[in-house]
Amino acid sequence: EAQVTQNPRYLITVTGKKLTVTCSQNMNHEYMSWYRQDPGLGLRQIYYSMNVEVTDKGDVPEGYKVSRKEKRNFPLILESPSPNQTSLYFCASSSSPFIQETQYFGPGTRLLVL
Amino acid sequence: AQSVAQPEDQVNVAEGNPLTVKCTYSVSGNPYLFWYVQYPNRGLQFLLKYITGDNLVKGSYGFEAEFNKSQTSFHLKKPSALVSDSALYFCAGVLSGNTPLVFGKGTRLSVIA
Repeated sequence: EAQVTQNPRYLITVTGKKLTVTCSQNMNHEYMSWYRQDPGLGLRQIYYSMNVEVTDKGDVPEGYKVSRKEKRNFPLILESPSPNQTSLYFCASSSSPFIQETQYFGPGTRLLVL
Repeated sequence: AQSVAQPEDQVNVAEGNPLTVKCTYSVSGNPYLFWYVQYPNRGLQFLLKYITGDNLVKGSYGFEAEFNKSQTSFHLKKPSALVSDSALYFCAGVLSGNTPLVFGKGTRLSVIA
């Protein structure tokens, strides 16, 4: 089944404790991205990647890192999480680097930073 | 600034009635516009998109949207609402060049039996 998977789905952590949220897609998609969803703000893009080893900042990259060593994986790293990073995070992928392609979203990761 | 706006936080409609979820955009060129739906505890699912061509776009689950350039709108519509359509709907757009996808704030649709 074609899908985007994220792990973990739920995470509670404390300020400053490094964490990684994994994202994997099995559709051989070139484009992958991370979003955060906050009430009243919709989805905002954190980082995106047009291909392996190619990443770029989205609208709200501060406090986040990403890597794209393999085509299928695009982990999101919070080196020193803070409470303002409490949010619902979505990974997405699409078949080409062109932004007008439909994006496929993972199920989301709900993060609480205490 | 280029943006996508959903002017209604909440839309309530009776089952069987037509529904409209509004979306407007602000852009200098030709936009690519999308509608996504989010069911509780799920990721976003693609409904439909407008890239070019026919202004009336048909999508999944009986939804359609009309691109109106003069009114800079891309409202989502369905002729007869179902209770199962109750969800959070997001309008999104690529507003210029290869810039990132911009999302509206979302509209919660409640269909009442």
